[in-house]
Amino acid sequence: ETGVTQSPTHLIKTRGQQVTLRCSSQSGHNTVSWYQQALGQGPQFIFQYYREEENGRGNFPPRFSGLQFPNYSSELNVNALELDDSALYLCASSLDPGARNSPLHFGNGTRLTVT
Amino acid sequence: DAKTTQPNSMESNEEEPVHLPCNHSTISGTDYIHWYRQLPSQGPEYVIHGLTSNVNNRMASLAIAEDRKSSTLILHRATLRDAAVYYCILRAFYGGSQGNLIFGKGTKLSVKP
Repeated sequence: ETGVTQSPTHLIKTRGQQVTLRCSSQSGHNTVSWYQQALGQGPQFIFQYYREEENGRGNFPPRFSGLQFPNYSSELNVNALELDDSALYLCASSLDPGARNSPLHFGNGTRLTVT
Repeated sequence: DAKTTQPNSMESNEEEPVHLPCNHSTISGTDYIHWYRQLPSQGPEYVIHGLTSNVNNRMASLAIAEDRKSSTLILHRATLRDAAVYYCILRAFYGGSQGNLIFGKGTKLSVKP
């Protein structure tokens, strides 16, 4: 069983640039969600994708967008990067978008630094 | 959103049991209690979850109060590898948030050899 993998592991960008982060979900999982974790804080929910459509979103501006592909892998895109976007970005996959008893499986994240 | 309250940090000795408390006085009848942990430089890792009854798995035990307003994660014999931040989370299903996890700051567990 292959776990959740994310790429790249580290990334440095300049303010105003755009970035794309990638995630391959765990085998058999059809739902992907993305989280942002600032230093010293718990992860914050960005959005969730199910069957290639966004079906839930946290308190993040529209410059945070995503895609889910037919093989359930996913991308997180951030436009017009700001210094406060520097964080660990985590991808998680699960079997069902809303099942309260279905655990999420996280990748080890992409560390984004905006200078 | 339903919230949880956890101590900021706890210490334990290796090979001793650890009881990590969590208060969730505003829990609703349909919320599941989930525990995740995050080791340094890794993503969160699922530990255990439950609804009303106590639960056991290979990693830990979850004791849930009868009124469900609190729960305790029990590590039966702490190892150095258990040093991590432990998050207690209420998992609900709402039309907009679709069951996403709401993380607090968690409890940072230190294990002394």
